[in-house]
Amino acid sequence: AQSVTQLGSHVSVSEGALVLLRCNYSSSVPPYLFWYVQYPNQGLQLLLKYTTGATLVKGINGFEAEFKKSETSFHLTKPSAHMSDAAEYFCAVDAGGTSYGKLTFGQGTILTVHP
Amino acid sequence: GAGVSQSPRYKVTKRGQDVALRCDPISGHVSLYWYRQALGQGPEFLTYFNYEAQQDKSGLPNDRFSAERPEGSISTLTIQRTEQRDSAMYRCASSVSGTGGPDTQYFGPGTRLTVL
Repeated sequence: AQSVTQLGSHVSVSEGALVLLRCNYSSSVPPYLFWYVQYPNQGLQLLLKYTTGATLVKGINGFEAEFKKSETSFHLTKPSAHMSDAAEYFCAVDAGGTSYGKLTFGQGTILTVHP
Repeated sequence: GAGVSQSPRYKVTKRGQDVALRCDPISGHVSLYWYRQALGQGPEFLTYFNYEAQQDKSGLPNDRFSAERPEGSISTLTIQRTEQRDSAMYRCASSVSGTGGPDTQYFGPGTRLTVL
């Protein structure tokens, strides 16, 4: 069975500072990995996903994440935070195979951006 | 085009009542998923369909929960004899295809269920 751990339920950064949201997963097979963002009163929106190939994945709004198999990590970064990045972020894993389509989510990280 | 829609957006009910939550996926999407999200937690898988066939219902907590998608489009999640512990955000998602590759799941805004 797979699981996802997001370190830090709340992260606060200054506008213009680096954003780093941590995600570690456990999976018995090579996983598919996702980052979703949730704005208030809206549905989850896909930021980026890793399937196969290049381990550095670029997504929307300047975000990127790197799949590190040896560390079982998929941390999300953005070089310079913007006020509009304030939201809740979820890391998720799809182990594929018989579990295909069943996303397992982390508990989420609320990102606060202050001026 | 239109995204995934869910209705009602908010539902308040009394313990013991039945509720039906509706999901209208993106037109043409084969797969439809239901998740439940407790406050302060990430979404938790409940069940999913390819077309009208329920492929996996391993996440449904007990037999009070059921889901259907009779014509392969709109889906209804029904909770019978609701309990306070059923209070949560219920989210629906759809994806283009149920086969091959990790499809992107597109989420609706959710239905906030409160059981008094």
